[in-house]
Amino acid sequence: GESVGLHLPTLSVQEGDNSIINCAYSNSASDYFIWYKQESGKGPQFIIDIRSNMDKRQGQRVTVLLNKTVKHLSLQIAATQPGDSAVYFCAENMAGSSNTGKLIFGQGTTLQVKP
Amino acid sequence: NAGVMQNPRHLVRRRGQEARLRCSPMKGHSHVYWYRQLPEEGLKFMVYLQKENIIDESGMPKERFSAEFPKEGPSILRIQQVVRGDSAAYFCASSTTGWGNTEAFFGQGTRLTVV
Repeated sequence: GESVGLHLPTLSVQEGDNSIINCAYSNSASDYFIWYKQESGKGPQFIIDIRSNMDKRQGQRVTVLLNKTVKHLSLQIAATQPGDSAVYFCAENMAGSSNTGKLIFGQGTTLQVKP
Repeated sequence: NAGVMQNPRHLVRRRGQEARLRCSPMKGHSHVYWYRQLPEEGLKFMVYLQKENIIDESGMPKERFSAEFPKEGPSILRIQQVVRGDSAAYFCASSTTGWGNTEAFFGQGTRLTVV
């Protein structure tokens, strides 16, 4: 069935190090992927997105990599800061449903940044 | 430009009562999405609405739940005869066009507790 999953429930990194958060998806028909950051008691905040016709996209301190062959998505955060501590969700949107807002979210990875 | 506004932030209802959750989209946004998040889980799609129309309600329970987005005023998610299992955080998001074509922004959520 359809599922989006994250490999590790919690990731602990040292401040200043790079972080890599992984996500596996099972629906090969998905054509749009988004990473969200959610801080405690708040709504999800858009970080970066990528379409299936790309394999890499960079933002400010963040990079998303998409490997369609193994259906794997990753979020790289450079020089991780304490403010990056949050739960990170990947979400996928199936081809043909890109206009419905019907995203499928993973369970989330908690990123803990140690000072 | 205010973000997506949801109210109330916290709502406590006794079993059997009705819960009404309101969402005011960002200015200029005519697409609204409702998601539900159980503790320690990702968000689950419920419904997608445009002004006066329900576009996709495939994620909404068939009974007790309804949603509307009138021509004037906020979008309302209504839960009748609430049960303990309805306790969750309900998030609303809005966008200018369909998701996947433009970024959607989430509100801070309404945390419903059924006692």
